[in-house]
Amino acid sequence: DAGVTQSPTHLIKTRGQQVTLRCSPKSGHDTVSWYQQALGQGPQFIFQYYEEEERQRGNFPDRFSGHQFPNYSSELNVNALLLGDSALYLCASSLVGLIYEQYFGPGTRLTVT
Amino acid sequence: DAKTTQPPSMDCAEGRAANLPCNHSTISGNEYVYWYRQIHSQGPQYIIHGLKNNETNEMASLIITEDRKSSTLILPHATLRDTAVYYCIVRVARGGSNYKLTFGKGTLLTVNP
Repeated sequence: DAGVTQSPTHLIKTRGQQVTLRCSPKSGHDTVSWYQQALGQGPQFIFQYYEEEERQRGNFPDRFSGHQFPNYSSELNVNALLLGDSALYLCASSLVGLIYEQYFGPGTRLTVT
Repeated sequence: DAKTTQPPSMDCAEGRAANLPCNHSTISGNEYVYWYRQIHSQGPQYIIHGLKNNETNEMASLIITEDRKSSTLILPHATLRDTAVYYCIVRVARGGSNYKLTFGKGTLLTVNP
């Protein structure tokens, strides 16, 4: 049983560009959350998707957007990249009834130059 | 969410028990204590959670004080692979519209040979 998978593993972008990160949840999971983790800090919640809708959003600007597909996979899009967007982006999946038992992927390391 | 306080770092000898404390003096009656850990360069991993009774699973034991103002995560026989940042999170398990996990800085546990 594959766990949560994310792609790509690493990514280098230039300021002002746009990026799309992808996540496939653990088999059987229906909810996907995205987190941003800066170096030396704990993960910070970006948003969560359930039934293809954004269910909750953290304190992130509208440059951060997402999508969930009918097969529960998800994308995170970031527009107009800033240097401060450099971080590890983590995807976590869960069952809607066990929302705090989240299974995390390995993350995508984004570097903005 | 109840605020949690954890020591920034701890050391443990391999094969010995690791006892990681967490203070959550403002915890409410319907809030659970969750523990996650993050091994370097990996996504966080769910370990265990509990409400008021002690809990044990294949990874660890969770001891919650009778007044629920603090808890201890116990790794009974720590190995080098248990070196990680351990996060204590307090959340309502069900209900409401707040679905996110709020990570602090956690405790860096270093298991020494």
